[in-house]
This record gives sequence, structure tokens and C-alpha cells, in this order.
Amino acid sequence: DIVMTQSPLSLPVTLGQPASISCRSSQSLVHSDGNTYLTWFQQRPGQSPRRLIYKVSQRDSGVPDRFSGSGSGTDFTLKISRAEAEDVAIYYCMQGTHWPFTFGPGTKVDIE
Amino acid sequence: EVQLVESGGGLIQPGRSLRLSCTTSGFTFGDYTMSWLRQAPGKGLEWVGFITTKAIGETPLYAASVQGRFTISRDDSKSIAYLQMNSLKTEDTALYYCANMGRHPAHWGQGALVTVSS
Repeated sequence: DIVMTQSPLSLPVTLGQPASISCRSSQSLVHSDGNTYLTWFQQRPGQSPRRLIYKVSQRDSGVPDRFSGSGSGTDFTLKISRAEAEDVAIYYCMQGTHWPFTFGPGTKVDIE
Repeated sequence: EVQLVESGGGLIQPGRSLRLSCTTSGFTFGDYTMSWLRQAPGKGLEWVGFITTKAIGETPLYAASVQGRFTISRDDSKSIAYLQMNSLKTEDTALYYCANMGRHPAHWGQGALVTVSS
């Protein structure tokens, strides 16, 4: 199985300041169809996961543009340009290239 | 508005069976792979499996931890996906989510809690 690692696992952020989460996979996530199925989810306390970013950098409708995704191959990043109070959540990366699809352990973001 | 609503959860004894339903609206159900995922209390997210569309064979795939015990099916006429869980184990205790799409689940339900305990 593909192992997804995230760092840091805990990220205190300052309101208005940038934040960055790293996600690495144990194998390349480039699919034979040419796509890279790396997805970022946000899970606020007591809520279901919400998809933020898919195929590395495609932001979902309604997701603030302060969220951005980048990366390639095995190395990916989620960036928050200016943290807001509503960004307090656990963020998961997930690979959908190789079955079984797998999640990272999650990064808990809270306000410093 | 896309909606997915899981139902059928509850407290069940080890070795027994339970069926979850995922009732959907707001999208063309038959055009989407439907997925089941779970989250044990206080833990991270885990795939259970998914079922592809009828157009590409209505093929289910399962995680190793549930292979042979769980069955995913779909009824396109009712826009409902199902998760049949047999031979339940205590380690199957989790909040079970359904979601549409496979490789990058787009919309998720609120989850159905399954507690396996004697």
C-alpha cells in the first residue's frame, strides 16, 4: 500500500499569517491516465470531511482562494496564504492513484 | 444541492450483520462511482471501498480489512448506495461515510455511527 506522510502533524498558526502543510507519498502518484490523484480535505471539529483541492491543485467551488495546492510525483503542499479562525481543522491528504487509496495521518491546525 | 444521507447505523454485537444505506439527491447518481469510507473514534480516515458506475461494469473494490465480509451495491433507480457488513468485528466500530466519486471523493454525507460491542 502507498504510505502517505504529512508534516507537521500539529500546526499552530497566527491569524493573517501563511501556513503550509507537506504531504509525501511512498510512490509516485502519477496515474497511467496522466493525472495525479492527490486530494486535500478539511475536517472541522464535529463535521464531515470537505474536499478543498483535487488533482494536486484544482480548488473546489466555494473554497477560498487563500487555499492552494502544489507539487508533483511524491511531494505535495497545501498552503494557506492568510490563516483565518475558520481554518481551524484537521487537514488530510489522500492519494487516489493506487488502490487501496490511502490518507495521510492528518495535520491539526489551530490558532496560536 | 448535492445531498448524501447515511442511515442504518447502530449498536451491534460482534459477528452480526448490518446494512447501511446512502440516500442521495442533487446529482445524476448513475454517472458517479460511489464510495464508502470510515473513521474510528478519534482516528483518521480509512477507505472501505467503492463501486463503479453501471457503464463501466458496476465493479466493487474493497480494502483488505473488509474484503470478504463487506459488500457494496447500488440501486440507480433509487439513487441509493448500500454497504452490507457481515461478520462484524469490534475494530469495525467507526463513523461510516458515503461519498460520490472514487479517486477524489467530492461530496460526503454526515456519517452513520456503527458500534460493534458485546
